[in-house]
Amino acid sequence: ETGVTQTPRHLVMGMTNKKSLKCEQHLGHNAMYWYKQSAKKPLELMFVYSLEERVENNSVPSRFSPECPNSSHLFLHLHTLQPEDSALYLCASSRVFGGTDTQYFGPGTRLTVL
Amino acid sequence: SQELEQSPQSLIVQEGKNLTINCTSSKTLYGLYWYKQKYGEGLIFLMMLQKGGEEKSHEKITAKLDEKKQQSSLHITASQPSHAGIYLCGAVRSGSARQLTFGSGTQLTVLP
Repeated sequence: ETGVTQTPRHLVMGMTNKKSLKCEQHLGHNAMYWYKQSAKKPLELMFVYSLEERVENNSVPSRFSPECPNSSHLFLHLHTLQPEDSALYLCASSRVFGGTDTQYFGPGTRLTVL
Repeated sequence: SQELEQSPQSLIVQEGKNLTINCTSSKTLYGLYWYKQKYGEGLIFLMMLQKGGEEKSHEKITAKLDEKKQQSSLHITASQPSHAGIYLCGAVRSGSARQLTFGSGTQLTVLP
């Protein structure tokens, strides 16, 4: 269960703050994902990186900015967020992107925007 | 309606009872995943089904895939409080084969 780690686990920020979420995978995978989980809604895929290149961007507002410096690390930079952005943000990784490779998830970052 | 429908949305059972959770897709399934989530935490992978008629077990949890019905069922035998949590199905489906679509989850409570 420590294959994918996320920091911080909890984050409270004002609408004018800038913060970053960090994800690290120790599984040797080549694909990494950011998901948003809001109350009473299915998980929403935000971004996908494969071999450090962004391959999917599901109409996410520009106030969310991903970064993948290498295949083991993934960041989500946040700025001028809205209260409706409060949610659990989950990172996942898989061996490759596409097909039926299993995605393994981190513990998530609970984000509250005031 | 959702693309991946889970039922029931919530379930409360007495310890020791059996239960079943269903996941139905509106599109052809290429792979079906079951995950478990404790509230506010990450998803723990349980098992993955790919072929019609396939059945897999993990401890007291069994999952089956009915390709014709585009449906999977998760069955827990002799439930225990440790089984409590949110069960999520995710699927790779036709038209979105490069992404995993998730259901809304089934909240399971097991009363001691």
